[in-house]
Amino acid sequence: GENVEQHPSTLSVQEGDSAVIKCTYSDSASNYFPWYKQELGKRPQLIIDIRSNVGEKKDQRIAVTLNKTAKHFSLHITETQPEDSAVYFCAATSDYKLSFGAGTTVTVRA
Amino acid sequence: NAGVTQTPKFRVLKTGQSMTLLCAQDMNHEYMYWYRQDPGMGLRLIHYSVGEGTTAKGEVPDGYNVSRLKKQNFLLGLESAAPSQTSVYFCASSYSGARETQYFGPGTRLLVL
Repeated sequence: GENVEQHPSTLSVQEGDSAVIKCTYSDSASNYFPWYKQELGKRPQLIIDIRSNVGEKKDQRIAVTLNKTAKHFSLHITETQPEDSAVYFCAATSDYKLSFGAGTTVTVRA
Repeated sequence: NAGVTQTPKFRVLKTGQSMTLLCAQDMNHEYMYWYRQDPGMGLRLIHYSVGEGTTAKGEVPDGYNVSRLKKQNFLLGLESAAPSQTSVYFCASSYSGARETQYFGPGTRLLVL
């Protein structure tokens, strides 16, 4: 089955700086890579996703890059704001089910 | 639309007791999932369903059973609860598979003593 590793497990950034979270996956057949954000006490929500036929996707301050050869993908958050403080999960799939990384707790310092 | 709802929000069980968690969605989604979330371990798939009347095992199915008798409902059962099943349980649904947005419920916090 798919195995997704996520790093770092915690990340503290100054407000206005950038944050980068990296994930690797094991199954070369995986072709869909979403990122979910979970605020404290809330449910996970999709913030951005990328499919294997593209290398990069942007949505305002967030972007995701995919390197299929190396089997890794990354989330980039620019100009971080206090509301970006949350746990972020990467995931990967090639069939009916998602495999999630262990999560990264991002703290934005004012 | 209520989206994905879960019942109950919080429950305390004694070891050996049984219970059923209910997940309901009103988005006409085919796929439904049950995950458990434990600190430092992300979201782990327990069971999933690709349509009414179907169920399949996920990554950590032992100790759990599920049923999908109606398209909008997905039930998760614990026949004999164990302290290791203390966790936060999330239900999710998607329209046509894992390569689409999954919409999560608010979660059920379960404590097994």
